[in-house]
Amino acid sequence: SYELTQPPSVSVSPGQTARITCSGDALPKKYAYWYQQKSGQAPVLVIWQDSKRPSGIPERFSGSTSGTLATLTISGAQVEDEADYYCYSTDISGNSWVFGGGTKLTVL
Amino acid sequence: QVLLQESGPGLVKPSQTLSLTCTVSGGSITNGTYYWNWIRQPAGKGLEWIGRIYTGGNTNYSPSLKSQVIISLDTSKNQFSLKLRSVTAADTALYYCARDTGIPLARGAYDIWGQGTMVTVSS
Repeated sequence: SYELTQPPSVSVSPGQTARITCSGDALPKKYAYWYQQKSGQAPVLVIWQDSKRPSGIPERFSGSTSGTLATLTISGAQVEDEADYYCYSTDISGNSWVFGGGTKLTVL
Repeated sequence: QVLLQESGPGLVKPSQTLSLTCTVSGGSITNGTYYWNWIRQPAGKGLEWIGRIYTGGNTNYSPSLKSQVIISLDTSKNQFSLKLRSVTAADTALYYCARDTGIPLARGAYDIWGQGTMVTVSS
């Protein structure tokens, strides 16, 4: 079955740029989505269609893709950005959706 | 605004069927062209997409769960439901329902989530 691969953890100091990657064979043809999940809360969409930011999401969050790699970038990460981040996409059929394993972002 | 609320038994015995309902408030489940999704998360682990149902009734399921899962709509109650049969301890998780934005080329964008309901599989 289709898989998306993320690093388990990323750590940055406040104000630095955090980059979280997601690898998947279908990403050249299928959009990537990114969800932020803080402890005890439901996930929140932070990036959709590779690089679009929903209203209310800070401008420091951005997304990009290159080939089979999608990247979530948090420019000037804040302590409040500490969370688990999940990439999300579909296989080539478009009917089977998969989350990446998640990346724990530490900002301290 | 549209809100989602999961409900169902918090404890299910092994080999039995897990049944959950997601109640939609603030709008009709048949209004628009949305996919209604079920996602789960074992404690301390990642998110897993279970499946989805379209406003028109078409369904898609995760290949790993396809043989166990049925998702259905109840338009009279403005609800959609999840049935997962032959459960084991591995099905113990927090179960979320979620709705996509309705944008045809953005079916992975879920802007509305329930708060989640915990289900434990144990005898």
